Amino acid sequence: GNSVTQMEGPVTLSEEAFLTINCTYTATGYPSLFWYVQYPGEGLQLLLKATKADDKGSNKGFEATYRKETTSFHLEKGSVQVSDSAVYFCEVISSGSARQLTFGSGTQLTVLP
Amino acid sequence: ETGVTQTPRHLVMGMTNKKSLKCEQHLGHNAMYWYKQSAKKPLELMFVYNFKEQTENNSVPSRFSPECPNSSHLFLHLHTLQPEDSALYLCASSQGTENQPQHFGDGTRLSIL
Repeated sequence: GNSVTQMEGPVTLSEEAFLTINCTYTATGYPSLFWYVQYPGEGLQLLLKATKADDKGSNKGFEATYRKETTSFHLEKGSVQVSDSAVYFCEVISSGSARQLTFGSGTQLTVLP
Repeated sequence: ETGVTQTPRHLVMGMTNKKSLKCEQHLGHNAMYWYKQSAKKPLELMFVYNFKEQTENNSVPSRFSPECPNSSHLFLHLHTLQPEDSALYLCASSQGTENQPQHFGDGTRLSIL
């Protein structure tokens, strides 16, 4: 079955620092890849997605590129803000007869002023 | 406002009680999901419904019983739960199940005494 390995947290950064949260996966076929964010007391919200190799998803200053050769989908942001403090989840969905939805374990990010 | 509403937000129950969690989506989606989110563990997909038909049951104990009367409503009936069932239960919906992102509710925080 699929698997998702996500960078373990917690991650603590100062405001305006560069952020990378690593996500690598194993999956059959041509999966779609997603990043979600979860703020305290809330459910997960879609942050960005990519559905084929070399696609770049972007939203709110966050970016991630679908790298099929390295089976990775690392989340990056050039300058984090205190309001970015949350838990980030990577998800892989493989389609077809072997359809599976698999989340990573989540990475807690804390941004200090 | 995510378009997916879960009630109640918090629930405390004894091991012999019977209760139900409710989820309603206003997005016109045709797939709905139940997830279990426990501290320090990855999100666990419990059930998937597509056009009211259950398409996945990931080895969930029978003390959890889902019901999907229509594409907008999803219930999780609970009876004789165990302390390890205490968790945040998240409902999600999507437009189909092929490579589509999920929209999550804010969850029901369940505590078993």
